Amino acid sequence: AQKITQTQPGMFVQEKEAVTLDCTYDTSDPSYGLFWYKQPSSGEMIFLIYQGSYDQQNATEGRYSLNFQKARKSANLVISASQLGDSAMYFCAMREGPPNFGNEKLTFGTGTRLTIIP
Amino acid sequence: DTAVSQTPKYLVTQMGNDKSIKCEQNLGHDTMYWYKQDSKKFLKIMFSYNNKELIINETVPNRFSPKSPDKAHLNLHINSLELGDSAVYFCASSQTSGGNEQFFGPGTRLTVL
Repeated sequence: AQKITQTQPGMFVQEKEAVTLDCTYDTSDPSYGLFWYKQPSSGEMIFLIYQGSYDQQNATEGRYSLNFQKARKSANLVISASQLGDSAMYFCAMREGPPNFGNEKLTFGTGTRLTIIP
Repeated sequence: DTAVSQTPKYLVTQMGNDKSIKCEQNLGHDTMYWYKQDSKKFLKIMFSYNNKELIINETVPNRFSPKSPDKAHLNLHINSLELGDSAVYFCASSQTSGGNEQFFGPGTRLTVL
């Protein structure tokens, strides 16, 4: 089974609208971390936001927030007031288990290509 | 003040050659990684090192040999390059304590002809 599933290969959103990118995950480990990365057309991977499995509150970083629904095993990224510069590939990723001296590999989803329309 | 840097950014080479990619981080992190992104944009872990010690080796052909001379550097040497090795290779680093966010380098696009 896929450990990280991103069901939206592509999305088109009007500038200034909010957008939700879906991510579901599969793990039996009670300790895990969920990450979102942005990859613009220039190719670099930019860390956006992190949510730990034991965190009580949803993570927020500026215009990014993570809608963490543990029982549903979903970790959707919400971008408020989208901008043209938000056009990029977005990857959801998971670390299974607690941080453990180098054994923290990330498993990535297949990504969602977001295009913001002016 | 680049956090994670890689050289070279682009590498074009013939099948059968041997090549190296270098990675350096100035974040003071104790763990470094190599990931491979294929033509369909799928990212997969290859190796991780913690304090110069190999921790993860994910079913990678032994033509790929990582080396970590110190905590701040992780190099990747590839022998006998094959067409299927063409990809973007990303170095990343993280600190074990804390949220464990992994910060990525700019990537090295390897093209094997």
